[in-house]
Amino acid sequence: AQSVSQHNHHVILSEAASLELGCNYSYGGTVNLFWYVQYPGQHLQLLLKYFSGDPLVKGIKGFEAEFIKSKFSFNLRKPSVQWSDTAEYFCAVNARGYNQGGKLIFGQGTELSVKP
Amino acid sequence: EAGVAQSPRYKIIEKRQSVAFWCNPISGHATLYWYQQILGQGPKLLIQFQNNGVVDDSQLPKDRFSAERLKGVDSTLKIQPAKLEDSAVYLCASSLVVGSSYNEQFFGPGTRLTVL
Repeated sequence: AQSVSQHNHHVILSEAASLELGCNYSYGGTVNLFWYVQYPGQHLQLLLKYFSGDPLVKGIKGFEAEFIKSKFSFNLRKPSVQWSDTAEYFCAVNARGYNQGGKLIFGQGTELSVKP
Repeated sequence: EAGVAQSPRYKIIEKRQSVAFWCNPISGHATLYWYQQILGQGPKLLIQFQNNGVVDDSQLPKDRFSAERLKGVDSTLKIQPAKLEDSAVYLCASSLVVGSSYNEQFFGPGTRLTVL
């Protein structure tokens, strides 16, 4: 069965601390990988994506993620978090291809709270 | 450009009542998705339209849920009759190109449904 698992349900950090959110997936095929973010009171928005090529991808606001194929993982990182990074983060995958529909399978989300 | 619009933003009903949600995607976007997000979980796809045709409704509880996308533009999702377990946020998303997994999905603000 296709699934995405996020390791942490709630993470609390102080400003300037480093962040790593874990994501593992189970999927019987080639996938695209995504991280979405939902700031309080706002819509889900794309943070970064991986299709192919360099497994280290950079997104908006200083976030990056590394795809490790052998571990079926796509962990999100940021060297120094800010209070404004407080949000819920979702890892997602879809089947790669121009005719695969695009349906996203999401993890359960990780709530990040950054203390000023 | 204007984002994905959804209404209402909040709805409270009693079980066995019916309810309808409306979504207007970004202009020109061919693909429209409805996701259900239960508290503490990630979004789960209910139905996907390409233009006005259904591509994937495998996880739509068809005995009580229905959806349509007339003229390939806006869409309505209906629940009749509602059950307690239908309490969730219903998200609408759209993407530009038909069928491609590479396109970013843009999400609306969601409709929060509470069934009492």
